[in-house]
Amino acid sequence: SQQGEEDPQALSIQEGENATMNCSYKTSINNLQWYRQNSGRGLVHLILIRSNEREKHSGRLRVTLDTSKKSSSLLITASRAADTASYFCATAGSIEGNLIFGKGTKLSVKP
Amino acid sequence: ETGVTQTPRHLVMGMTNKKSLKCEQHLGHNAMYWYKQSAKKPLELMFVYSLEERVENNSVPSRFSPECPNSSHLFLHLHTLQPEDSALYLCASSQNRGWETQYFGPGTRLLVL
Repeated sequence: SQQGEEDPQALSIQEGENATMNCSYKTSINNLQWYRQNSGRGLVHLILIRSNEREKHSGRLRVTLDTSKKSSSLLITASRAADTASYFCATAGSIEGNLIFGKGTKLSVKP
Repeated sequence: ETGVTQTPRHLVMGMTNKKSLKCEQHLGHNAMYWYKQSAKKPLELMFVYSLEERVENNSVPSRFSPECPNSSHLFLHLHTLQPEDSALYLCASSQNRGWETQYFGPGTRLLVL
């Protein structure tokens, strides 16, 4: 069953702008992870945020987690054309070790 | 590079063929995973191996048969596939089985004719 759901499904911005993607989930979690996928390639891990954390940064990435609203957001600041990719959130499934991925947000950054 | 390699990168096969996908991880991880990614569908977990033992078979048809001969290698044997099995097959690994970071290979793009 689908746990995480990203919003919006697609996002198109100009280089230099910020991009914000959201993820909502249904059940309590141990952690939430964000991954990036370039077209037709494997997923690359970006950030893991634990349930007792509210915000985490990594370079131009900022992730927030609101467990009361069961939601997370990924902010990419000063976007670049190379940030064009699909972004997925992943939450812990019902069986240990199973990450459940959403359908992703397709981000397009135009030069 | 993530330390997880997959071969072949592209595969075209007929419904009567038998083929195998190979995954190798160079990270010293204990858990390995097979995922299927179809167009416009979420990533689907197929199999989970922990310390070479299959711990999860997520209602996958028997025409997909996994094999994990050691902690570094994972295979997915394919036989009598259907056109709807055409997808990107992704292998991943993690240090241990759990809700940890997973490292993905580049995937095998499979087309079943």
